Amino acid sequence: QVQLVQSGAEVKRSGAAVKVSCRASGYTFTRYYIHWVKQAPGQGLEWLGIINPRGGSTTYAQKFQGRVTMTRDTSTTTVYIELNSLTSEDTAVYYCVRGPDSGASFLNWLDPWGQGTLVTVSS
Amino acid sequence: QSALTQPASVSGSPGQSITISCTGTSSDVGAYNYVSWFQHHPGKVPKLLIFDVSERPSGVSNRFSGSKSGNTASLTISGLQAEDEADYYCSSHTRTNWGVIFGGGTKLTVL
Repeated sequence: QVQLVQSGAEVKRSGAAVKVSCRASGYTFTRYYIHWVKQAPGQGLEWLGIINPRGGSTTYAQKFQGRVTMTRDTSTTTVYIELNSLTSEDTAVYYCVRGPDSGASFLNWLDPWGQGTLVTVSS
Repeated sequence: QSALTQPASVSGSPGQSITISCTGTSSDVGAYNYVSWFQHHPGKVPKLLIFDVSERPSGVSNRFSGSKSGNTASLTISGLQAEDEADYYCSSHTRTNWGVIFGGGTKLTVL
């Protein structure tokens, strides 16, 4: 079955960077986009961006441009999100989510979801 | 870009029906039939309930239905059950940045 398995919880200092991984299995890795979604404590869901594993192209939410980088490794069917210059506002659960077919023009398909990775930023 | 607008909370009694609205703009909800709804129980992973405005993935109860009129999409839950108590989020494709935008979320309380 389709599975997205994320790396474990992280604790980082303000100003540092964090890199979270998401390993995909159960389907052809390069056939589907992968989204990243953030949920801060007590807050709603927030879209961070999307990566096309086929060629590695990315689209980032304007709010995070310049601070976020999404990459992929096709040999291990893993995607990564790296967020730098961390502040307390980056404390959140980060989810990877399978997106639409990599040839799709519209991006609003999000299923299934990874289990989430808690990132805690301390000062 | 601001989130899509959802009511912060709604409530209903078992057996009743409720509707949650999701208001966007002509750049997102109003522009495309690519609206989804998710159910999120705290501590669990969000679950896709509705995609493409009104389509249900296999396995999702037909008590959940979606619709759209203009810039506002709606999720209706009929025959409310205790296990429906959760947070609900809408999302839409948006031409702004050619990405995805979420609603702020609605907490459903089953009385």
